[in-house]
Amino acid sequence: QKEVEQDPGPLSVPEGAIVSLNCTYSNSAFQYFMWYRQYSRKGPELLMYTYSSGNKEDGRFTAQVDKSSKYISLFIRDSQPSDSATYLCATFSGGYQKVTFGTGTKLQVIP
Amino acid sequence: DSGVTQTPKHLITATGQRVTLRCSPRSGDLSVYWYQQSLDQGLQFLIQYYNGEERAKGNILERFSAQQFPDLHSELNLSSLELGDSALYFCASSRGGLDADTQYFGPGTRLTVL
Repeated sequence: QKEVEQDPGPLSVPEGAIVSLNCTYSNSAFQYFMWYRQYSRKGPELLMYTYSSGNKEDGRFTAQVDKSSKYISLFIRDSQPSDSATYLCATFSGGYQKVTFGTGTKLQVIP
Repeated sequence: DSGVTQTPKHLITATGQRVTLRCSPRSGDLSVYWYQQSLDQGLQFLIQYYNGEERAKGNILERFSAQQFPDLHSELNLSSLELGDSALYFCASSRGGLDADTQYFGPGTRLTVL
């Protein structure tokens, strides 16, 4: 079983839709949670960074962490064609521990 | 632009060969991380260096090695290349040695082994 599981998609939505991207993880020691956006043939770009459970909002993006169910989510409101990319969740326990990435969900926003 | 540079952008080589990938971190960043990304495996952590010293090791093969130089740039050496080594190799950098620091990724080097 992988430490972080993520549905690879692809996920196609119409412009303006609310997008929900999700990951599950198995290690209860994970405390830090990130979402990266990766455009085709580019390096991942950090979108959201959260610690422990709760919600964090940044513009059209909301990251949600539920440590009790080991579930992390990224919501994108009013999705735009420019949001079309692969979204990677990532997590680690802290200190000098390696970051574990999900395999990514490919999102396509149709104009 | 993340401020992390990687060269070359593309590399095509043959099985059995050896290649060197280069990474320059963002100005002021002391940590460098190397990742391999393939279609079926996703982004896999290989190794981390902090201020010239190896700090953490992931799923790095024995045929692969890395180092970080006094000027903080890093090189990833891949030897005895196999077809399965074809992938995108990313370098990331962060301020300190803790993973709690935000990692900024470079544009990657696409390696094709024929």
